[in-house]
Amino acid sequence: EPEVTQTPSHQVTQMGQEVILRCVPISNHLYFYWYRQILGQKVEFLVSFYNNEISEKSEIFDDQFSVERPDGSNFTLKIRSTKLEDSAMYFCASSEALQGREYQPQHFGDGTRLSIL
Amino acid sequence: AQSVTQPDIHITVSEGASLELRCNYSYGATPYLFWYVQSPGQGLQLLLKYFSGDTLVQGIKGFEAEFKRSQSSFNLRKPSVHWSDAAEYFCAVGPYSGAGSYQLTFGKGTKLSVIP
Repeated sequence: EPEVTQTPSHQVTQMGQEVILRCVPISNHLYFYWYRQILGQKVEFLVSFYNNEISEKSEIFDDQFSVERPDGSNFTLKIRSTKLEDSAMYFCASSEALQGREYQPQHFGDGTRLSIL
Repeated sequence: AQSVTQPDIHITVSEGASLELRCNYSYGATPYLFWYVQSPGQGLQLLLKYFSGDTLVQGIKGFEAEFKRSQSSFNLRKPSVHWSDAAEYFCAVGPYSGAGSYQLTFGKGTKLSVIP
């Protein structure tokens, strides 16, 4: 079964450094998402992306965050100047196009654990 | 704004026993409802979804869930739990956003432990 793959599985970065988290969505999916889960807390929506632009973003997704689809397969989340509170598990997800009026479920990767020192 | 409540933080059941995990949501219209499972060190795997139609939905691994509009609930059930079901379970709601993408709002999760 096709999977969403994320790399790296664990990233350790010094505070203030830039970090790029990478995702390869399922190949025929058109909608891409990033979520994060701070340890012990809920999974939170960050951003959705479609047709090479952001569809929705949460208040968490401020100017330090950006997303990009640099080629036909990768979907990246960049954090420009990391802070201690950015330490979390970051999940990428993707979903197919609408089929009629029915939304397609989001499929998640295994996540990247980001540790800011 | 939509919200999801999972009132049970941790549940322990014996292998072979039945299971019900509770989920209540708050949303102004009929939401799209999901249950995901997360095993340690793993991502979120979709168990089942409800968009419309039959209010009892079947999922993978023998799970089912029932949408009750009057109670704003979407409880997950399994008639006989296996040791491999030990994991964390998340209920999520995805409201219609007017486009093909939608953001999921998750509950805090219920951790399931299974006693052999």
